[in-house]
Amino acid sequence: GENVEQHPSTLSVQEGDSAVIKCTYSDSASNYFPWYKQELGKRPQLIIDIRSNVGEKKDQRIAVTLNKTAKHFSLHITETQPEDSAVYFCAASSDNQFYFGTGTSLTVIP
Amino acid sequence: GAGVSQSPSNKVTEKGKDVELRCDPISGHTALYWYRQSLGQGLEFLIYFQGNSAPDKSGLPSDRFSAERTGGSVSTLTIQRTQQEDSAVYLCASSERAGRETQYFGPGTRLLVL
Repeated sequence: GENVEQHPSTLSVQEGDSAVIKCTYSDSASNYFPWYKQELGKRPQLIIDIRSNVGEKKDQRIAVTLNKTAKHFSLHITETQPEDSAVYFCAASSDNQFYFGTGTSLTVIP
Repeated sequence: GAGVSQSPSNKVTEKGKDVELRCDPISGHTALYWYRQSLGQGLEFLIYFQGNSAPDKSGLPSDRFSAERTGGSVSTLTIQRTQQEDSAVYLCASSERAGRETQYFGPGTRLLVL
């Protein structure tokens, strides 16, 4: 089955700086890679996703890159704000099943 | 419109008892997923349904866990003879179709087995 690894597990940045979270996956058949944000005590919510036929996708301050050859994908948040503080999960999907990383707890320091 | 709902929101049970967790997906969503999230941990995929069918049940942790979906809508996750290690938040999500579609999560059921 798929194995998704996510790093770092915790990340602290100053407000306005950038944050980068990296994930690797093992199954070359995985073709869909969503990122979810989970605020404390709340449900996960999709923030951005990328499909295997695309190398990069951007939505305002958030971008995701995918390297299929190396089997890794990354989340980039620029100009971080305190409200970006949350746990972020990457996921890889193949055969309609989803495998999540263990999460990155991001703290943006005002 | 209404999002994904789950009930109960919290459940405390004694070791050895059976529990049923319910998920109401977004109307019209044909795919439904169950996950388990232990304290401070990631999301563990348990099972998914496309319509009423669960193509792969290998993600269920043990044979004490079962799930069903009827009418292409509501799903129930049943845990028999609960153990303390079953304590976790059980999250349900739905999407228009299985696969490369946005999943919308419910608020979860927090299960505590004493």
